[in-house]
Amino acid sequence: DADVTQTPRNRITKTGKRIMLECSQTKGHDRMYWYRQDPGLGLRLIYYSFDVKDINKGEISDGYSVSRQAQAKFSLSLESAIPNQTALYFCATSEGQETQYFGPGTRLLVL
Amino acid sequence: KQEVTQIPAALSVPEGENLVLNCSFTDSAIYNLQWFRQDPGKGLTSLLLIQSSQREQTSGRLNASLDKSSGRSTLYIAASQPGDSATYLCAVRPPSGTYKYIFGTGTRLKVLA
Repeated sequence: DADVTQTPRNRITKTGKRIMLECSQTKGHDRMYWYRQDPGLGLRLIYYSFDVKDINKGEISDGYSVSRQAQAKFSLSLESAIPNQTALYFCATSEGQETQYFGPGTRLLVL
Repeated sequence: KQEVTQIPAALSVPEGENLVLNCSFTDSAIYNLQWFRQDPGKGLTSLLLIQSSQREQTSGRLNASLDKSSGRSTLYIAASQPGDSATYLCAVRPPSGTYKYIFGTGTRLKVLA
């Protein structure tokens, strides 16, 4: 089984809808991250969490919110989806300042 | 503000060729640098991580070097194979106090059989 899983893997939604992307990890890591990837822009950090009680904004947090329900679970919500949030979303985990382990990604299309 | 650049954006080589992928960054004050491989539908896989005090790291046919003073890192792939075809990303982590990697846009490599 994969160490970092993301659901759903693909999602099509309409402008204005609220959606949630979920991430789970079995690595026991304390730190979790949400990134989005856009062509020509690389990966950009949306939110990160060092533990259940510690949530931090990344460089592009506007329009997004997160919830760290447990050490192993970190969810990303789009409160009111808009077309420019169409992207590939990745969850990642790390232990301390070492290697980040990525999930397989969620491809989101907002119409 | 730290910026990471990877050139070229895409590269095609015949099988068996040795190749070098380049990564440059604007601020030499980094904590570490990491090379990732991205395959479609499979997310990112870490290949090599170089701490700021190190000059290179090796894993199998891969060798990554780091020159902080010039703001450059290279990923050397020896005897390339079609299975090496993927997008390669480099990412730098600023000094301690932040825990965010800054990614380049990647080099898309195709190794032709």
